Amino acid sequence: DAGITQSPRHKVTETGTPVTLRCHQTENHRYMYWYRQDPGHGLRLIHYSYGVKDTDKGEVSDGYSVSRSKTEDFLLTLESATSSQTSVYFCAISRTEKDNEQFFGPGTRLTVL
Amino acid sequence: KQEVTQIPAALSVPEGENLVLNCSFTDSAIYNLQWFRQDPGKGLTSLLLIQSSQREQTSGRLNASLDKSSGRSTLYIAASQPGDSATYLCAVSGNQGAQKLVFGQGTRLTINP
Repeated sequence: DAGITQSPRHKVTETGTPVTLRCHQTENHRYMYWYRQDPGHGLRLIHYSYGVKDTDKGEVSDGYSVSRSKTEDFLLTLESATSSQTSVYFCAISRTEKDNEQFFGPGTRLTVL
Repeated sequence: KQEVTQIPAALSVPEGENLVLNCSFTDSAIYNLQWFRQDPGKGLTSLLLIQSSQREQTSGRLNASLDKSSGRSTLYIAASQPGDSATYLCAVSGNQGAQKLVFGQGTRLTINP
């Protein structure tokens, strides 16, 4: 257990509404990540962070923004949700003291109607 | 662009058999390779991480090997049990810092009692 929690765990929303997903870690790891998992595409990186206020884009960043104002929290925002953003979202951290082994949170299932 | 392939997509074997799951990647310039397990509706559990300079890692009944030059890794499961039934994912990273993992689509393993 890497001390990663995600909230909410499930959310149903409507097209065009803003949505924010939260990832919280308890161990002060520098690197944090957001992935989405879809049938037929597997897991794909959305955004990642390498420190407070330091973030960068991943493979599928269009339509998403992130923020990290504290070491322990990494927020993923869908400014205007679309049906194509229906997915399961996973947050992860890297343990640099363990060869950068990556550990994942429990996931958030988001449905955009 | 790095691509990761896992074949077969699904595998069903009787309990007690030894089995091998395969992972291949197109760009041999990787930093590390990680194997995960995912149970239905759950998050990812890290099983093994192999650094690019290593040939194999072992944990209990699991052994992962890496042949970076040929772009291949295998996950060997000894004396399989019904509790091993899950989807197994491999992922590679090309970065020492931020671990931007590229995932395969997984092998769904079923162990029949």
